[in-house]
Amino acid sequence: DVKVTQSSRYLVKRTGEKVFLECVQDMDHENMFWYRQDPGLGLRLIYFSYDVKMKEKGDIPEGYSVSREKKERFSLILESASTNQTSMYLCASSLEQVPVSGNTIYFGEGSWLTVV
Amino acid sequence: TQLLEQSPQFLSIQEGENLTVYCNSSSVFSSLQWYRQEPGEGPVLLVTVVTGGEVKKLKRLTFQFGDARKDSSLHITAAQTGDTGLYLCAGFFGNEKLTFGTGTRLTIIP
Repeated sequence: DVKVTQSSRYLVKRTGEKVFLECVQDMDHENMFWYRQDPGLGLRLIYFSYDVKMKEKGDIPEGYSVSREKKERFSLILESASTNQTSMYLCASSLEQVPVSGNTIYFGEGSWLTVV
Repeated sequence: TQLLEQSPQFLSIQEGENLTVYCNSSSVFSSLQWYRQEPGEGPVLLVTVVTGGEVKKLKRLTFQFGDARKDSSLHITAAQTGDTGLYLCAGFFGNEKLTFGTGTRLTIIP
């Protein structure tokens, strides 16, 4: 089975702290994604990467950066955490960028971040 | 950014009843997916539909893609408590990134 593992399930950080959220996938997928999920807003794409060292901005990249030094690992970085970044963060990976029948996007279990 | 509207936002029904939830957009999807997310977990893909008018069945779940590829529905027959969760549709518009709807939170009452 494909596994997308997010290293931290629950974090509490102070305003201004630098936060790293790590994600690892074990299926040699080219594409990896970071979303945040907020009530009433659904999932919003922060950044995605289609190859090592490549990154593309999603819909809400402000306040975030990413790193993809190895194919299996995609990190989300909050340079200076703020209270409005309190959210559930979801990492995902897929073989193809465009979903067609038979292509699956796999999600991790999520990281709950609270910024106080 | 393309918008996907899901309705209803919340739905609570008795076990054994039937239900339908909807996903609508003003733009044409190139493909559309449905996910279910349980509390404390990430979304899990249920189905991908690509062709206008396509109908796919997954046990008691029936997914329909509108003829014009601007809308989709998910129908559950004889709901069970295990169907409880957040149902998300997600669409691709052309070759852009996947866009998610806001979800329908379904609760099945025993």
